[in-house]
Amino acid sequence: EIVMTQSPATLSVSPGERATLSCRASQSVSRTLAWYQHKPGQSPRLLIYGASTRATGIPARFSGTGSGTEFTLTISSLQSEDFAVYYCHQYYDWPQTFGQGTKVEIK
Amino acid sequence: QVHLLQSGAEVKRPGSSVKVSCKASGGAFSDFSINWVRQAPGQGLEWMGGMIPSFGSGDYAQKFRDRFTISTDESTSTAYMELKNLRTEDSAIYYCVRIRGYLVSLGQFDYWGQGTLVTVST
Repeated sequence: EIVMTQSPATLSVSPGERATLSCRASQSVSRTLAWYQHKPGQSPRLLIYGASTRATGIPARFSGTGSGTEFTLTISSLQSEDFAVYYCHQYYDWPQTFGQGTKVEIK
Repeated sequence: QVHLLQSGAEVKRPGSSVKVSCKASGGAFSDFSINWVRQAPGQGLEWMGGMIPSFGSGDYAQKFRDRFTISTDESTSTAYMELKNLRTEDSAIYYCVRIRGYLVSLGQFDYWGQGTLVTVST
């Protein structure tokens, strides 16, 4: 099983600042990596797939980079609605696996 | 726009079974993989398994292989998950999700159901 490790576990950021979230895979997943945003009481929402392609309707302040084993999600200027938990997800091989999540909280 | 509507919350006893439905609307059903992902309280997301309805066979996480089954009814565009021999640690929100991509078994989850809370308690 491919283990996905996210860091940090919690990120405290002020509105308007940049947030950088990391995701590492235990073996190469090429670019088959997605990011999701999850807010309390809601279903997760797809943000990024193919490591860097924004899903439909996702604002340009969200960007994804990386390939192989190292990936980054950057939120260029945090808005109030961006405070949430973010998960990375590899779909390179079965079983599909998620990272444990990074909580982005208001500083 | 694809919409996935799940059945309501369930309360079950340990050792019993639960079956959750997921009705799809607004798009094709048979050739897109429906998967199940769960989130236990305070925990992250966990993939359980998935199936392309027109294929008829599913892919399952080893952890659940012995007691988890996915089925589909193409006539009603509905997918089902059944988890048997429930344990208290199976208490979680269960989501049905659809993979982006035609006839693709591995992929990103572009549509999510609203979630079904399953509580296993004595």
